[in-house]
Amino acid sequence: GQQLNQSPQSMFIQEGEDVSMNCTSSSIFNTWLWYKQDPGEGPVLLIALYKAGELTSNGRLTAQFGITRKDSFLNISASIPSDVGIYFCAGQKTSGSRLTFGEGTQLTVNP
Amino acid sequence: GAVVSQHPSRVICKSGTSVKIECRSLDFQATTMFWYRQFPKQSLMLMATSNEGSKATYEQGVEKDKFLINHASLTLSTLTVTSAHPEDSSFYICSACRVGDQPQHFGDGTRLSIL
Repeated sequence: GQQLNQSPQSMFIQEGEDVSMNCTSSSIFNTWLWYKQDPGEGPVLLIALYKAGELTSNGRLTAQFGITRKDSFLNISASIPSDVGIYFCAGQKTSGSRLTFGEGTQLTVNP
Repeated sequence: GAVVSQHPSRVICKSGTSVKIECRSLDFQATTMFWYRQFPKQSLMLMATSNEGSKATYEQGVEKDKFLINHASLTLSTLTVTSAHPEDSSFYICSACRVGDQPQHFGDGTRLSIL
């Protein structure tokens, strides 16, 4: 099925650095979601975006819903070791409908 | 705290066994739940949409007789992998959302290993 284009695929950074990842799509989504998945666990919701142009923060995380509704980015500031994991973007066409996932960004933070 | 509970977290069984996985929404009703499958180092792939009181909707390429889904109540959906074989070994994850425009929350997944 369709997947979103998520980049980068992986990142290796030093503790304290900022991180940015993004997702793009050829079609419009009305909701963008960012999840983090730790090994052997299910994805955990980080940020939900419901409006084009919306910029939302959750602690050190900031995400934006692209104005065209075809893209979104996630920034993590001042990374810490517990930020390690796989980050997924997901797009949703309508409320309660299926999610379309990006391929994921594997983040490694070196202490 | 967790809003979606999935059980069991890990199953190891012999080829030919049928395995049932439960997905429960905690303290909210979910008319729709979703079942995903995830292979190592890959993203989540939707298998089917589970609708309370009606038949599940399966994605293309997913065998409905192989992966039986039952959504008998507003808080419980089950996925049964029938006559499982080694190629069915994977990480199965469910999700649910409250009625309305709440985002989907995921269970902790079930690691299925077929010997």
